[in-house]
Amino acid sequence: EVQLVESGGGLVKPGGSLRLSCAASGFTFSSYSMNWVRQAPGKGLEWVSSISSSSSYIYYADSVKGRFTISRDNAKNSLYLQMNSLRAEDTAVYYCARDSYGDPDFDYWGQGTLVTVSS
Amino acid sequence: AIQMTQSPSSLSASVGDRVTITCRASQGIRNDLGWYQQKPGKAPKLLIYAASSLQSGVPSRFSGSGSGTDFTLTISSLQPEDFATYYCLQDYNYPRTFGGGTKVEIK
Repeated sequence: EVQLVESGGGLVKPGGSLRLSCAASGFTFSSYSMNWVRQAPGKGLEWVSSISSSSSYIYYADSVKGRFTISRDNAKNSLYLQMNSLRAEDTAVYYCARDSYGDPDFDYWGQGTLVTVSS
Repeated sequence: AIQMTQSPSSLSASVGDRVTITCRASQGIRNDLGWYQQKPGKAPKLLIYAASSLQSGVPSRFSGSGSGTDFTLTISSLQPEDFATYYCLQDYNYPRTFGGGTKVEIK
């Protein structure tokens, strides 16, 4: 069974940093591109970042470029999101999601982890 | 970035109704579009990929159509478990962009 489990969320002050993790199981993690998607309270979905299976290709939303860094460790079946210079508008539930094999839609999602940026 | 305009933003419907949600892309995206369902407090769920292909395990009352700039998600006969918010997502290029969402409520 495919499982994605996010962790690392919490309360952080503006300007602070946080590192999210996504532990993957039930599939060959190293074969799939992975993604982070976020959802501010009461708002819609926003794509944040994507990373290819071997980390050769990395993409970011303009809203996080230069502040967030996506990475992965295929040996540990884990995806990460390092978030620096956090702002109030980064407050959201952060989901990791897997690219479907052979199609770039997101076929499996984690349950999400809440990041709150507030003083 | 490609803008995805989804309409309506909300609708009220009854069980058994046929429901149609549309997404319009600001430029052509071939058939590189997916539809997602999200219930409160839950992660989104993929319903349709490549504009018209039904994801495994998704009931056949869900269907998708369209290509280029105009896309449609149709629920042929609305069921109680279908009351949720629906999003389109273009995967033609980066940055990926979601539509604003359509909340389907009980009439």
